[in-house]
Amino acid sequence: KNQVEQSPQSLIILEGKNCTLQCNYTVSPFSNLRWYKQDTGRGPVSLTIMTFSENTKSNGRYTATLDADTKQSSLHITASQLSDSASYICVQQAGTALIFGKGTTLSVSS
Amino acid sequence: DTAVSQTPKYLVTQMGNDKSIKCEQNLGHDTMYWYKQDSKKFLKIMFSYNNKELIINETVPNRFSPKSPDKAHLNLHINSLELGDSAVYFCASSQQDRRPGYTFGSGTRLTVV
Repeated sequence: KNQVEQSPQSLIILEGKNCTLQCNYTVSPFSNLRWYKQDTGRGPVSLTIMTFSENTKSNGRYTATLDADTKQSSLHITASQLSDSASYICVQQAGTALIFGKGTTLSVSS
Repeated sequence: DTAVSQTPKYLVTQMGNDKSIKCEQNLGHDTMYWYKQDSKKFLKIMFSYNNKELIINETVPNRFSPKSPDKAHLNLHINSLELGDSAVYFCASSQQDRRPGYTFGSGTRLTVV
């Protein structure tokens, strides 16, 4: 069982709609929780990083939440755009190691 | 200016060959990494290296070896390539005591035929 689980595996939404991606993690010790966006053929780009004491962080239309009690995080995308089509990867940092989820593939259609 | 650059972007080679992928970062970071992304898009760390320490993921075959001529470069050498080595390889760098941390290269797609 992967230590960072994401859902759904893939998602298709219409342009302008909102969506929420989920991440459950079990890795210890906890350093921080990151969300990355990976466009096709490109490397991952950081969207947000949250430490244990932060429970919400925004980056433009992206808002990440963190519930350290339930070990869950979510990434909410508001007013989606075609350029949001990408893989969104939840990553937990435990010590110096990054533990990657398998990602959610988001397709935004017009 | 590209922060973390990898070459080549695409590499197609035959089984049994030896190949290298180069990585350079101009961010002044103290640590560099190699990650492998398989066909299921799952990223897994292979190595992390700073000027003090090389940390190797124990699942990585010893046909893979990182070589760092200086702090700004971490090249990946692969000997006796196998079909299962086909994947996208990402280089990354970070400054250990600073956020936001990791910056990734754009990847090298290796295809072994």
